[in-house]
Amino acid sequence: QSVLTQPPSVSGAPGQRVTISCTGSSSNIGAGYDVHWYQQLPGTAPKLLIYGNSNRPSGVPDRFSGSKSGTSASLAITGLQAEDEADYYCQSYDSSLSGRWVFGGGTKLTVL
Amino acid sequence: EVQLVESGGGLVKPGGSLRLSCAASGFTFSSYSMNWVRQAPGKGLEWVSSISSSSSYIYYADSVKGRFTISRDNAKNSLYLQMNSLRAEDTAVYYCARYSVVAATPGVDYWGQGTLVTVSS
Repeated sequence: QSVLTQPPSVSGAPGQRVTISCTGSSSNIGAGYDVHWYQQLPGTAPKLLIYGNSNRPSGVPDRFSGSKSGTSASLAITGLQAEDEADYYCQSYDSSLSGRWVFGGGTKLTVL
Repeated sequence: EVQLVESGGGLVKPGGSLRLSCAASGFTFSSYSMNWVRQAPGKGLEWVSSISSSSSYIYYADSVKGRFTISRDNAKNSLYLQMNSLRAEDTAVYYCARYSVVAATPGVDYWGQGTLVTVSS
């Protein structure tokens, strides 16, 4: 059971918009900690997609955007493309845990 | 270009030990905190351990505390993970990951390609 909750799967047709939610609590996202998002293409290592809730690293298309409100965060992908099919993970920090780094369970995006 | 290259994975029996290494290049290794993150087969990501740039601060996930030891050698641009008393549930791909300094909340900005550790008799 992950500290951050994500839907196991989402899907959309090419060109559509999809969103992936990441729900936390008052000791992590709700405490003001930022959310980061990672994309993991099949058979590869994760890659930073969004940092600090809504910032894109250099090279990440502006089709990807992030937001945060209260105890939740969201990743939105517009103009869906076949190469977006991947697993997506949110990550934050939790003040109530000794280790403190927390990940969501991951969401598998399928492009129909 | 930032590069993180892990090595040392393999098959080990329950109760055995293994030492993972991560060779870093393309950045000033001694200026960055580093992490190990693992992923069990078909599962999600799990943070394992972090070490500060000068090794002054070290943290572990409860699941590995007392069994794993993180260390680094800044002169060799290398990160290590000594894993003892290995269990079947430690089977995973282990990623070396650079601590991101661009956000206020800890995160990763670069990942290695991972090394597979399999614990089985």
